[in-house]
Amino acid sequence: DGGITQSPKYLFRKEGQNVTLSCEQNLNHDAMYWYRQDPGQGLRLIYYSQIVNDFQKGDIAEGYSVSREKKESFPLTVTSAQKNPTAFYLCASSATGVGVEQFFGPGTRLTVL
Amino acid sequence: SQQGEEDPQALSIQEGENATMNCSYKTSINNLQWYRQNSGRGLVHLILIRSNEREKHSGRLRVTLDTSKKSSSLLITASRAADTASYFCATDTNRDDKIIFGKGTRLHILP
Repeated sequence: DGGITQSPKYLFRKEGQNVTLSCEQNLNHDAMYWYRQDPGQGLRLIYYSQIVNDFQKGDIAEGYSVSREKKESFPLTVTSAQKNPTAFYLCASSATGVGVEQFFGPGTRLTVL
Repeated sequence: SQQGEEDPQALSIQEGENATMNCSYKTSINNLQWYRQNSGRGLVHLILIRSNEREKHSGRLRVTLDTSKKSSSLLITASRAADTASYFCATDTNRDDKIIFGKGTRLHILP
Protein backbone atom coordinates (compact mmCIF):
# COMPACT_ATOMS: atom_id res chain seq x y z
CA ASP A 1 0.00 0.00 0.00
CA GLY A 2 1.64 3.23 -1.14
CA GLY A 3 1.10 6.33 0.89
CA ILE A 4 2.28 8.96 3.29
CA THR A 5 1.98 8.57 7.03
CA GLN A 6 2.28 10.96 9.93
CA SER A 7 2.61 10.19 13.58
CA PRO A 8 1.36 10.74 16.12
CA LYS A 9 -2.19 11.86 15.25
CA TYR A 10 -2.47 13.94 18.43
CA LEU A 11 0.43 15.42 20.38
CA PHE A 12 0.48 17.41 23.57
CA ARG A 13 3.46 19.42 24.62
CA LYS A 14 4.34 21.58 27.57
CA GLU A 15 5.61 25.07 26.91
CA GLY A 16 9.38 25.18 26.51
CA GLN A 17 9.68 21.64 25.13
CA ASN A 18 10.83 20.66 21.67
CA VAL A 19 8.75 18.05 19.87
CA THR A 20 9.35 16.11 16.65
CA LEU A 21 6.60 15.17 14.21
CA SER A 22 7.18 12.19 11.97
CA CYS A 23 6.44 12.00 8.23
CA GLU A 24 7.19 8.93 6.12
CA GLN A 25 6.34 8.16 2.49
CA ASN A 26 6.76 5.08 0.32
CA LEU A 27 5.71 6.75 -2.92
CA ASN A 28 9.33 7.17 -4.08
CA HIS A 29 8.80 10.93 -4.22
CA ASP A 30 11.80 13.23 -4.19
CA ALA A 31 9.93 16.28 -2.84
CA MET A 32 8.43 16.59 0.63
CA TYR A 33 6.69 19.48 2.37
CA TRP A 34 5.49 20.60 5.79
CA TYR A 35 2.48 22.85 6.19
CA ARG A 36 0.80 24.43 9.14
CA GLN A 37 -2.97 24.89 9.18
CA ASP A 38 -4.79 27.21 11.58
CA PRO A 39 -8.56 27.72 11.57
CA GLY A 40 -9.56 30.00 8.71
CA GLN A 41 -5.95 30.42 7.57
CA GLY A 42 -5.59 27.73 4.94
CA LEU A 43 -2.19 26.04 4.59
CA ARG A 44 1.10 27.84 5.15
CA LEU A 45 4.41 26.34 4.03
CA ILE A 46 6.98 25.76 6.78
CA TYR A 47 9.80 23.88 5.02
CA TYR A 48 10.22 21.86 1.87
CA SER A 49 12.81 19.54 0.43
CA GLN A 50 13.35 18.68 -3.23
CA ILE A 51 16.09 16.11 -2.65
CA VAL A 52 17.80 14.19 0.11
CA ASN A 53 20.15 16.26 2.29
CA ASP A 54 18.71 19.54 1.05
CA PHE A 55 15.77 21.66 2.21
CA GLN A 56 14.51 25.23 1.96
CA LYS A 57 12.59 27.53 4.26
CA GLY A 58 8.99 28.23 3.46
CA ASP A 59 6.96 31.24 4.51
CA ILE A 60 6.86 30.54 8.26
CA ALA A 61 10.08 28.64 9.10
CA GLU A 62 10.93 30.51 12.31
CA GLY A 63 10.81 28.21 15.33
CA TYR A 64 10.90 25.04 13.25
CA SER A 65 13.66 22.76 12.00
CA VAL A 66 13.77 19.79 9.61
CA SER A 67 16.14 17.14 8.32
CA ARG A 68 16.12 15.03 5.16
CA GLU A 69 18.61 12.22 5.70
CA LYS A 70 16.52 9.64 3.85
CA LYS A 71 14.28 9.96 0.81
CA GLU A 72 11.38 8.41 2.71
CA SER A 73 11.50 10.58 5.81
CA PHE A 74 11.13 14.29 6.54
CA PRO A 75 10.71 14.90 10.30
CA LEU A 76 9.71 18.32 11.62
CA THR A 77 10.87 19.62 14.99
CA VAL A 78 8.79 22.29 16.65
CA THR A 79 11.19 24.10 18.93
CA SER A 80 10.53 26.15 22.04
CA ALA A 81 11.28 29.23 19.93
CA GLN A 82 7.96 28.79 18.10
CA LYS A 83 5.70 31.19 19.99
CA ASN A 84 2.34 29.79 19.00
CA PRO A 85 2.80 26.15 18.01
CA THR A 86 -0.74 24.88 18.61
CA ALA A 87 -1.98 23.95 15.13
CA PHE A 88 -2.70 21.15 12.68
CA TYR A 89 0.47 20.05 10.85
CA LEU A 90 0.31 18.45 7.42
CA CYS A 91 3.08 16.68 5.56
CA ALA A 92 2.96 16.16 1.79
CA SER A 93 5.09 14.63 -0.92
CA SER A 94 5.25 14.89 -4.68
CA ALA A 95 7.36 14.21 -7.71
CA THR A 96 9.72 17.10 -8.43
CA GLY A 97 8.78 19.90 -10.78
CA VAL A 98 5.94 22.37 -10.98
CA GLY A 99 2.38 21.48 -11.72
CA VAL A 100 2.47 18.16 -9.92
CA GLU A 101 -0.03 16.74 -7.49
CA GLN A 102 0.87 16.72 -3.82
CA PHE A 103 -0.08 13.74 -1.69
CA PHE A 104 -0.94 14.53 1.91
CA GLY A 105 -0.63 12.61 5.14
CA PRO A 106 -3.48 12.51 7.68
CA GLY A 107 -1.97 15.29 9.80
CA THR A 108 -0.79 15.74 13.39
CA ARG A 109 -2.71 17.98 15.75
CA LEU A 110 -0.27 19.60 18.19
CA THR A 111 -1.55 21.22 21.36
CA VAL A 112 0.67 23.16 23.72
CA LEU A 113 -0.51 23.00 27.30
CA SER B 1 2.28 34.88 1.24
CA GLN B 2 -1.31 34.56 -0.04
CA GLN B 3 -1.91 33.95 -3.70
CA GLY B 4 -5.30 32.32 -4.14
CA GLU B 5 -8.42 33.42 -2.36
CA GLU B 6 -11.59 31.34 -2.44
CA ASP B 7 -15.09 32.73 -2.50
CA PRO B 8 -17.43 32.21 -0.74
CA GLN B 9 -15.79 31.34 2.59
CA ALA B 10 -18.71 29.05 3.38
CA LEU B 11 -21.54 27.57 1.33
CA SER B 12 -24.57 25.48 2.32
CA ILE B 13 -26.75 23.86 -0.33
CA GLN B 14 -29.34 21.12 -0.55
CA GLU B 15 -28.29 17.66 -1.62
CA GLY B 16 -28.70 17.29 -5.36
CA GLU B 17 -28.02 20.95 -6.12
CA ASN B 18 -24.88 22.21 -7.84
CA ALA B 19 -22.13 23.92 -5.85
CA THR B 20 -19.88 26.57 -7.31
CA MET B 21 -16.74 27.90 -5.66
CA ASN B 22 -14.42 30.55 -7.00
CA CYS B 23 -10.72 31.23 -6.64
CA SER B 24 -8.99 34.49 -7.47
CA TYR B 25 -5.24 34.97 -7.57
CA LYS B 26 -2.90 37.89 -7.88
CA THR B 27 0.01 37.03 -10.20
CA SER B 28 0.38 35.01 -13.38
CA ILE B 29 0.40 31.27 -12.83
CA ASN B 30 1.61 28.09 -14.50
CA ASN B 31 -1.02 25.78 -13.05
CA LEU B 32 -3.97 25.84 -10.70
CA GLN B 33 -5.06 22.87 -8.62
CA TRP B 34 -8.12 22.15 -6.50
CA TYR B 35 -7.96 20.03 -3.34
CA ARG B 36 -10.59 18.73 -0.93
CA GLN B 37 -10.16 18.35 2.82
CA ASN B 38 -12.54 16.45 5.03
CA SER B 39 -12.66 17.69 8.61
CA GLY B 40 -9.50 16.82 10.53
CA ARG B 41 -7.93 15.01 7.58
CA GLY B 42 -5.25 15.58 4.99
CA LEU B 43 -5.95 17.15 1.61
CA VAL B 44 -6.87 15.13 -1.45
CA HIS B 45 -6.05 16.31 -4.96
CA LEU B 46 -9.08 16.78 -7.21
CA ILE B 47 -7.98 18.32 -10.48
CA LEU B 48 -5.22 20.38 -12.10
CA ILE B 49 -5.71 22.91 -14.87
CA ARG B 50 -2.81 24.43 -16.77
CA SER B 51 -2.60 28.10 -17.69
CA ASN B 52 -3.22 27.33 -21.38
CA GLU B 53 -6.40 25.39 -20.61
CA ARG B 54 -9.83 26.92 -20.12
CA GLU B 55 -11.91 24.03 -18.83
CA LYS B 56 -11.46 20.52 -17.44
CA HIS B 57 -13.85 17.86 -16.29
CA SER B 58 -13.47 14.98 -13.90
CA GLY B 59 -16.59 13.03 -13.03
CA ARG B 60 -19.01 15.49 -11.36
CA LEU B 61 -16.32 18.17 -11.21
CA ARG B 62 -15.91 20.97 -13.72
CA VAL B 63 -13.09 23.49 -13.42
CA THR B 64 -12.73 26.64 -15.48
CA LEU B 65 -9.80 29.01 -15.66
CA ASP B 66 -9.89 32.62 -16.87
CA THR B 67 -6.32 33.92 -16.90
CA SER B 68 -7.42 37.39 -18.04
CA LYS B 69 -9.48 37.73 -14.85
CA LYS B 70 -7.02 35.70 -12.77
CA SER B 71 -9.79 33.47 -11.53
CA SER B 72 -10.95 29.87 -11.52
CA SER B 73 -14.19 28.19 -10.57
CA LEU B 74 -14.96 24.69 -9.32
CA LEU B 75 -18.41 23.32 -10.02
CA ILE B 76 -19.66 20.19 -8.29
CA THR B 77 -22.81 18.90 -9.93
CA ALA B 78 -25.55 16.87 -8.25
CA SER B 79 -24.02 17.32 -4.80
CA ARG B 80 -24.01 14.50 -2.25
CA ALA B 81 -23.61 14.44 1.52
CA ALA B 82 -20.10 13.05 1.02
CA ASP B 83 -19.11 16.29 -0.75
CA THR B 84 -19.27 18.12 2.58
CA ALA B 85 -15.68 19.31 3.03
CA SER B 86 -13.38 22.30 2.59
CA TYR B 87 -12.11 23.02 -0.90
CA PHE B 88 -8.82 24.76 -1.59
CA CYS B 89 -7.27 26.16 -4.73
CA ALA B 90 -3.49 26.13 -5.08
CA THR B 91 -1.34 27.90 -7.64
CA ASP B 92 2.23 27.69 -8.84
CA THR B 93 4.25 30.24 -10.79
CA ASN B 94 7.48 30.54 -12.76
CA ARG B 95 9.26 32.07 -9.79
CA ASP B 96 9.77 28.96 -7.68
CA ASP B 97 8.74 25.33 -7.19
CA LYS B 98 6.25 25.91 -4.39
CA ILE B 99 2.48 25.90 -4.55
CA ILE B 100 0.47 28.43 -2.59
CA PHE B 101 -2.87 27.50 -1.07
CA GLY B 102 -5.86 29.73 -0.54
CA LYS B 103 -7.89 29.80 2.67
CA GLY B 104 -10.58 27.51 1.33
CA THR B 105 -14.35 27.32 0.95
CA ARG B 106 -16.26 25.27 3.52
CA LEU B 107 -19.04 23.41 1.71
CA HIS B 108 -21.92 21.88 3.65
CA ILE B 109 -24.44 19.67 1.87
CA LEU B 110 -27.81 19.64 3.62
CA PRO B 111 -29.86 16.41 3.54
